Parts: sequence; C-alpha cells; structure tokens
Amino acid sequence: DQQVKQNSPSLSVQEGRISILNCDYTNSMFDYFLWYKKYPAEGPTFLISISSIKDKNEDGRFTVFLNKSAKHLSLHIVPSQPGDSAVYFCAATSGTYKYIFGTGTRLKVLA
Amino acid sequence: EAGVTQFPSHSVIEKGQTVTLRCDPISGHDNLYWYRRVMGKEIKFLLHFVKESKQDESGMPNNRFLAERTGGTYSTLKVQPAELEDSGVYFCASSQGLFLEDEQYFGPGTRLTVT
Repeated sequence: DQQVKQNSPSLSVQEGRISILNCDYTNSMFDYFLWYKKYPAEGPTFLISISSIKDKNEDGRFTVFLNKSAKHLSLHIVPSQPGDSAVYFCAATSGTYKYIFGTGTRLKVLA
Repeated sequence: EAGVTQFPSHSVIEKGQTVTLRCDPISGHDNLYWYRRVMGKEIKFLLHFVKESKQDESGMPNNRFLAERTGGTYSTLKVQPAELEDSGVYFCASSQGLFLEDEQYFGPGTRLTVT
C-alpha cells in the first residue's frame, strides 16, 4: 500500500524547456515533503522541500508546488539542463525522520 | 568534509549465505538510518539509530536482518541467511539532528545480489 506515488516512471524533456515531475500522496497526516535527486551509482541527494503550511517553495531553477486538497505536489525545473538528467524521488513525512519515498521518475534532458 | 560512505559497493552471494554491509556516517552525525530499494520500487525505511541506540526498527523485514552501531560511530547491517528477495540496494543516511530541516545525507549504497 504505497502512500507516496510517482506514476510516471520516466520523462524526456528538451534542454531549455520546463520539466514537471509529479507526486501524489494518500496520507493526510504528511506535513513535510521533499525531493531528492539521484545519479547512477550515487546516493540520493536533497534537492528541495516544502512544509504543508506553504503551497510553493522556490530555489533557483527548482520550484515545488503543493496542493493539499488534491494531495499532490510537483517539481518544476526551469530551464532544464542536461545535468538535470537523473532519477527524482518524492518523499513525505509526518513530522518525523521516517521518510516515505515514491518509486522515482527518471528524467532525461535532451541536448 | 567526507560524506557518508558504504562498503562494499556491490556484493553477490548465494542464497543461505551471510553478508555484512557497513556504513560510516558523516562525522558528528548522531542519527543514522538504513533504507532499502528493491529493483524499481520505492526507497523504504528500515531503521534508525541515535548514537548506538536503535530508536526505530519498524521497517526491518524480519529477524534475518540485524543492525548494530557499536560506539555510536559506524554501523553494520547483517543479513543471515540471505534470501533471494533480499536483493536490492541498501542505502545508509545520516543527519545531525532530528528536526525536519536536518537534511538526511545518503551514502552511495551497497547493491546486494542474492543468487
């Protein structure tokens, strides 16, 4: 019973365009959400997070949007660069250290 | 500053054998976590140490898995005896504190293949 779902296993985007990665969750107790990026043979690295009291958080080219009523969050990357090609994991937590991850979306940015 | 390191990077063992994975957290990080990713699935929490104490083992699959953190430094995760379904990538992570803002830093993982 997956509480965090990333329904798109892969996504291809042209360099310079916007990448939109989506994530849905089922547990209404989740109050903090994170995105991690993972390159092959490396561990996941933290990218950006958002608290449930906000609906948007921005860090450079990366913006995370949270829609609590829809239990949906998305990560926007603008503009996309070839170095952004990686697997992106959405994670959620209900105020604890225990992160619940999704299955990941593989992003490929085409030069 | 050195990141989280894990050894070995890859292990191939036969069903029924024993394997021990090691994790060295970032120096000064009291919190250490083990996660596992089975092929193509989500990264799943296994357990959490604060220093040498196990705080939460709720994600450990069964009693074939034993985690230790002697002296509150490095940690080991032993699988004995290994089964086919134990194959996957085992990640270790560490954090300084337990606040939400305390980022969990992940190691590169150990890929375990049980044949």
